[in-house]
Amino acid sequence: GQSLEQPSEVTAVEGAIVQINCTYQTSGFYGLSWYQQHDGGAPTFLSYNALDGLEETGRFSSFLSRSDSYGYLLLQELQMKDSASYFCVFDAGNMLTFGGGTRLMVKP
Amino acid sequence: GAVVSQHPSRVICKSGTSVKIECRSLDFQATTMFWYRQFPKQSLMLMATSNEGSKATYEQGVEKDKFLINHASLTLSTLTVTSAHPEDSSFYICSAREDRSGYGYTFGSGTRLTVV
Repeated sequence: GQSLEQPSEVTAVEGAIVQINCTYQTSGFYGLSWYQQHDGGAPTFLSYNALDGLEETGRFSSFLSRSDSYGYLLLQELQMKDSASYFCVFDAGNMLTFGGGTRLMVKP
Repeated sequence: GAVVSQHPSRVICKSGTSVKIECRSLDFQATTMFWYRQFPKQSLMLMATSNEGSKATYEQGVEKDKFLINHASLTLSTLTVTSAHPEDSSFYICSAREDRSGYGYTFGSGTRLTVV
């Protein structure tokens, strides 16, 4: 089976940097994605890692280590609008498996 | 970019009635669409994979006779919740990925179903 573990909640202040970790267990691997979801909204795609290393997209970066079955999402220069749930997602190519989600609260 | 339109956004129905939710890919074709259910403060759980022109594939524990899925064209999939009960109240979300694109799935805006 597949499972993904991530912290349930993280709190940070505006302007800070926060890292959301994700560990996973799977029998096969294609890639790890990150999605953002605001309350009542649809998940939106943030990033994807198929290979080891860091992917940077503006204020957001995502890292993957396949040997450690570990990845993280790094959010820099936090803004109030970044308050949302963040999901690490196992991307098997033809379907997604969502982690439990991390609720990020950004405070002034 | 790819857009997935989902309707209705909210629906309230009486217990025992059926509700249909539509999911359309507006500017791309999707041979496969996915239906998720999300309870408050929980993650998205895959219910079924909708395949154009063939039967849907349901996840373990999801009643296929209760959650009817029809994927009649390359741009439209529908989920019908039959004989709805209060415990079916949830946020239902569809998603699809443009067949030619690299990464990332596009999600519909979701349907908040409340059964009273």
